[in-house]
Amino acid sequence: EAQVTQNPRYLITVTGKKLTVTCSQNMNHEYMSWYRQDPGLGLRQIYYSMNVEVTDKGDVPEGYKVSRKEKRNFPLILESPSPNQTSLYFCASSPTPSPGRGRTEAFFGQGTRLTVV
Amino acid sequence: DAKTTQPPSMDCAEGRAANLPCNHSTISGNEYVYWYRQIHSQGPQYIIHGLKNNETNEMASLIITEDRKSSTLILPHATLRDTAVYYCIVRVAGYGGSQGNLIFGKGTKLSVKP
Repeated sequence: EAQVTQNPRYLITVTGKKLTVTCSQNMNHEYMSWYRQDPGLGLRQIYYSMNVEVTDKGDVPEGYKVSRKEKRNFPLILESPSPNQTSLYFCASSPTPSPGRGRTEAFFGQGTRLTVV
Repeated sequence: DAKTTQPPSMDCAEGRAANLPCNHSTISGNEYVYWYRQIHSQGPQYIIHGLKNNETNEMASLIITEDRKSSTLILPHATLRDTAVYYCIVRVAGYGGSQGNLIFGKGTKLSVKP
């Protein structure tokens, strides 16, 4: 089954304790990205990657790091989490479109609910 | 900011067609209209997209006006499981650089009632 898998689904941590949220996709997609969703602010892109070893900042990158060493994995790293990073996080992947290619929709993971106390 | 305007909420009776409108009066010639939905706090799910022709798939139909300034997503026979927030997004089809960023607005909360 084609899917994007995030782990963990729920996480409560303390301020300053480094954490990593993993994201893996089995569709051989080139493009991957991370979003956070907050009440009243909607979904906002944190970082994206167009392919292995190619990453770039989205709209709200402060306090986050990412890496793309393998095509299927795109972990989100919080080096020193703070309470304002309490949020619902989504990973997404998409194929790179080309003439004759199929649909270019994004596939989202099930989300990671992070609480930083 | 989102380039689209949607009503904040709508109700629909189960089994009836749900027609969700979206205004995108500033759409450019190379921009597509995409629809996603989010059920409760699950990851958004792609529904359909189109450029200027009407589109239909197994989930829904998309009707785009001739001037492309508005569109309507149609769920032909809504079920309780279609209760969700529906997002209309305008963007180019490619993923070059920041083009891959999906700008989600507030969407329309559709409630399907028995």
